[in-house]
Amino acid sequence: EAQVTQNPRYLITVTGKKLTVTCSQNMNHEYMSWYRQDPGLGLRQIYYSMNVEVTDKGDVPEGYKVSRKEKRNFPLILESPSPNQTSLYFCASSARRDRVGEQYFGPGTRLTVT
Amino acid sequence: GNSVTQMEGPVTLSEEAFLTINCTYTATGYPSLFWYVQYPGEGLQLLLKATKADDKGSNKGFEATYRKETTSFHLEKGSVQVSDSAVYFCALMHTGNQFYFGTGTSLTVIP
Repeated sequence: EAQVTQNPRYLITVTGKKLTVTCSQNMNHEYMSWYRQDPGLGLRQIYYSMNVEVTDKGDVPEGYKVSRKEKRNFPLILESPSPNQTSLYFCASSARRDRVGEQYFGPGTRLTVT
Repeated sequence: GNSVTQMEGPVTLSEEAFLTINCTYTATGYPSLFWYVQYPGEGLQLLLKATKADDKGSNKGFEATYRKETTSFHLEKGSVQVSDSAVYFCALMHTGNQFYFGTGTSLTVIP
């Protein structure tokens, strides 16, 4: 089954404790992206990647890191989480450059930073 | 800069009513436009898209036309069903492959 998986689905952590949210897709997609969803703000793009070893900042990259060492995986790293990073996070992927807009979304990771 | 503005929700309609959700955008160049839908507890799903001016995207009875002169991409459906209850997001993709989403419009359809 074609899918985007994220782990963990729920996470509660404390300020400053480094964490990683994993994202994996099994569709051989080139494009992958991370978003955060906050009430009243919709989805905002954090980082995206057009292919292995190619990453770019989205609208709200501060406080986040990503890496794309393999085509299927695109982890999101919070080196020193803060309460303002409490949010619902979505990973997404899409195929070739001419179909980048047709994104497949993961189920989401709800992160709480206390 | 680039941005998307959607009509405020929530929207409540009776089954078989006509639906319009307004979306306008600000962008440099010629963006592609999308509508995504999010059902409760799930990730977003692509509903329809349009990649150039005057294109009409359609899917599952929903339609939207890319209007460059009014910078709009309004979502319409002639007869909504209870199963259409969800949050709808308008989005644009800039030529640099960055995405910008609207704030979402919650739709509830009552029998």
